[in-house]
Amino acid sequence: DVKVTQSSRYLVKRTGEKVFLECVQDMDHENMFWYRQDPGLGLRLIYFSYDVKMKEKGDIPEGYSVSREKKERFSLILESASTNQTSMYLCASSSVAGGIYEQYFGPGTRLTVT
Amino acid sequence: GQQLNQSPQSMFIQEGEDVSMNCTSSSIFNTWLWYKQDPGEGPVLLIALYKAGELTSNGRLTAQFGITRKDSFLNISASIPSDVGIYFCAGRMEYGNKLVFGAGTILRVKS
Repeated sequence: DVKVTQSSRYLVKRTGEKVFLECVQDMDHENMFWYRQDPGLGLRLIYFSYDVKMKEKGDIPEGYSVSREKKERFSLILESASTNQTSMYLCASSSVAGGIYEQYFGPGTRLTVT
Repeated sequence: GQQLNQSPQSMFIQEGEDVSMNCTSSSIFNTWLWYKQDPGEGPVLLIALYKAGELTSNGRLTAQFGITRKDSFLNISASIPSDVGIYFCAGRMEYGNKLVFGAGTILRVKS
């Protein structure tokens, strides 16, 4: 079974702090994604990566950056957290061989910025 | 970005009833996926569809890739309490390289 883990289930940070969200997958997937989920808006893509050291902007990249130094790990960085970044953050991965669009999700990190 | 129109927004049904929900778009899609999300967890992939007209089952769940390629349907037969959750559709547009997601259907079951 594909396993995608996220470093924290719940996180509370102050406005202006730099925040790191970590995601690790154990299935050697090439592709990794970061989404945020807000009620009534579904999932919105922040950034994705098709390979190590490679990144592409999604639909809402402003205020975020990412890092992929190893194939299994994809980090989301909030450079200076703001209250409007309070949300559920979901990491996902997929493989080219297994159906590139069949994404498997982690349990999510619920981030509150006060 | 493009968002799919998913309906209904929520359903409150009796245990044992069948459930239907759908996603529609004005754009053509090449892939449809259906996910379920339990409270406090990430979405879990239920069914993936890749061809227009395709009908695929996973236990009591059946999903169809609409013949126009602009919609997809999910049916759950004989609902049980553990079916409670949020169901999301997701699709890849004809010339896109990303998934777009519907806003979700919240399913509640009365036992």
